[in-house]
Amino acid sequence: SQTIHQWPATLVQPVGSPLSLECTVEGTSNPNLYWYRQAAGRGLQLLFYSVGIGQISSEVPQNLSASRPQDRQFILSSKKLLLSDSGFYLCAWSWGGLLGPPESYTFGSGTRLTVV
Amino acid sequence: QKEVEQDPGPLSVPEGAIVSLNCTYSNSAFQYFMWYRQYSRKGPELLMYTYSSGNKEDGRFTAQVDKSSKYISLFIRDSQPSDSATYLCAMSPTGANNLFFGTGTRLTVIP
Repeated sequence: SQTIHQWPATLVQPVGSPLSLECTVEGTSNPNLYWYRQAAGRGLQLLFYSVGIGQISSEVPQNLSASRPQDRQFILSSKKLLLSDSGFYLCAWSWGGLLGPPESYTFGSGTRLTVV
Repeated sequence: QKEVEQDPGPLSVPEGAIVSLNCTYSNSAFQYFMWYRQYSRKGPELLMYTYSSGNKEDGRFTAQVDKSSKYISLFIRDSQPSDSATYLCAMSPTGANNLFFGTGTRLTVIP
């Protein structure tokens, strides 16, 4: 079976510090990978998605970047955090391909980031 | 206008009540309809999934899709305190690579 791991669960970082959140998927090959941010009352905001190694699509221009150095690894980064980067960050995966079944969409457990 | 609209609540009901959660949408091309449940400080988990119109039942949960009205519903019968969570609807025209989420409705079931 497939599992998705996301860490850390909680993170408190000062303004201006760098960020690195990691997400890995086990039990599947060539998954689609996604990073979301969830803010209270604003729902899920898709930040980045990737359909393969080194292929990153950005949905929202911002202070963040994403990388996919390996097939089942997805990293969310920032060089300098802003207060507005605080939120709940979720990684997700789905079966690869543009027409992958949406019921395969599976979320990680999330990272609560507080920028102080 | 947002692609998917969902009342954020919060919604509080007594244990045993029937709960109705709803979403409306504007894109007539949506074919896949999902409901996710999210407990506090956890990631969303898939609860129900339907394709096109119709009903789907799974235990105490029933999902309904009315494409003519662009309206989907999730019914919870005999609600339990363990059902207390945020429920998000999601939908897609083509597949997993193009999913649109509602903002979520926070539900509390009071013992």
